[in-house]
Amino acid sequence: EAQLVESGGGLVKPGGSLRLSCAASGFTFSNAWMSWVRQAPGKGLEWVGRIQSKTDGGATDYAAPVKGRFTISRDDSKNTLYLQMDSLKAEDTGVYYCATRIGSYYGSWGQGTLVTVSS
Amino acid sequence: QSALTQPRSVSGSPGQSVTISCTGTSSDVGGYNYVSWYQHYPGKAPKLMIYDVTKRPSGVPDRFSGSKSGNTASLTISGLQAEDEADYYCCSYAGSYTSWVFGGGTKLTVL
Repeated sequence: EAQLVESGGGLVKPGGSLRLSCAASGFTFSNAWMSWVRQAPGKGLEWVGRIQSKTDGGATDYAAPVKGRFTISRDDSKNTLYLQMDSLKAEDTGVYYCATRIGSYYGSWGQGTLVTVSS
Repeated sequence: QSALTQPRSVSGSPGQSVTISCTGTSSDVGGYNYVSWYQHYPGKAPKLMIYDVTKRPSGVPDRFSGSKSGNTASLTISGLQAEDEADYYCCSYAGSYTSWVFGGGTKLTVL
């Protein structure tokens, strides 16, 4: 059974940076397309971005609000997904989830890690 | 405001049926048969309940079903059980530019 565990969240000042990690197990991580999804307090889910498997090209894609500030990467040797977040804004506050993207849906999710952007 | 519109809350008694709607546009829900639904208990990992509008992953009870008409998708839960009380989110593919959009979530209360 797939397991995803996010880490790296915390309190950061506006304009600061944070790197989230997502440790994967229970499936062939290197073959998986992976995504980040976030949830602001009291709001719905919001797609952040995704990275293809290296065998499919490894391309990344981002939602407009984070494009140019966030970077998704992966280390298949460590079965780990990353989200580098720079130039953070208050509106980036929320719980960040990693998820496996299987074709047209998100098959497995982690429990999330909380990011708070505040001075 | 979320890209897809869901009712903030729905409720039903044990054994009853409830339907949660998810309204988008012809650029997302209406344009693709790639609607999925997720059950989320606060503090836990969301769980896939329905994908490709009507398909149910193995292990999901057949009390859960999905449908779509035009720009609105629906999740129906029949034979409500106390354990169904959770937040439910819809998601749709929205084309290569926007990629994926989610609903604002619906809180299901089992009375």
